[in-house]
Amino acid sequence: EAQVTQNPRYLITVTGKKLTVTCSQNMNHEYMSWYRQDPGLGLRQIYYSMNVEVTDKGDVPEGYKVSRKEKRNFPLILESPSPNQTSLYFCASSGDGDRTLEAFFGQGTRLTVV
Amino acid sequence: DAKTTQPPSMDCAEGRAANLPCNHSTISGNEYVYWYRQIHSQGPQYIIHGLKNNETNEMASLIITEDRKSSTLILPHATLRDTAVYYCIVRVGWSGYGNKLVFGAGTILRVKS
Repeated sequence: EAQVTQNPRYLITVTGKKLTVTCSQNMNHEYMSWYRQDPGLGLRQIYYSMNVEVTDKGDVPEGYKVSRKEKRNFPLILESPSPNQTSLYFCASSGDGDRTLEAFFGQGTRLTVV
Repeated sequence: DAKTTQPPSMDCAEGRAANLPCNHSTISGNEYVYWYRQIHSQGPQYIIHGLKNNETNEMASLIITEDRKSSTLILPHATLRDTAVYYCIVRVGWSGYGNKLVFGAGTILRVKS
């Protein structure tokens, strides 16, 4: 089954404690992205990757890092989380060509930073 | 990317067709209309997209007006599980900028029994 898997689904952490949210896709997609969703602000892109070792900033990259060492994985790293990073996070992937904007989204990671 | 306008909410009776409108009067010739939905805090789900012609798949139909300034997503037999926020997105098919999808406020569709 084609899917994007995020872990963990829920996470409560303390300010400043480094964390990583993993994302993996099994569709051999080139493109992967991270979004955050906040009430009243909708979904905003944090970072994206067009292929292995190619990443770039989205609209709200501050406080986040990503890496793309393998095609299937695109982890989101918060080096020093702060309360304003409390949010619902989604990873997405999509292929190339005509299906480039038919994105598959993960189930989400609800992060609370206290 | 063209701006879209959708009604904030709609109700639909279970088993009836749900018709969700979207206005995109500034759409350009190379922009597609995409529809996604999000069921209560789950990840958004791709539904359908089109450029000029009407499209149909196993989930829905997309009707685009001849002038392409508006479109309608049709769920032919809505079920309670179709209750979700529906997003209409207008995008150039490939921009080279990470395939960013810009989700507006969308339409909350409530399917009622």
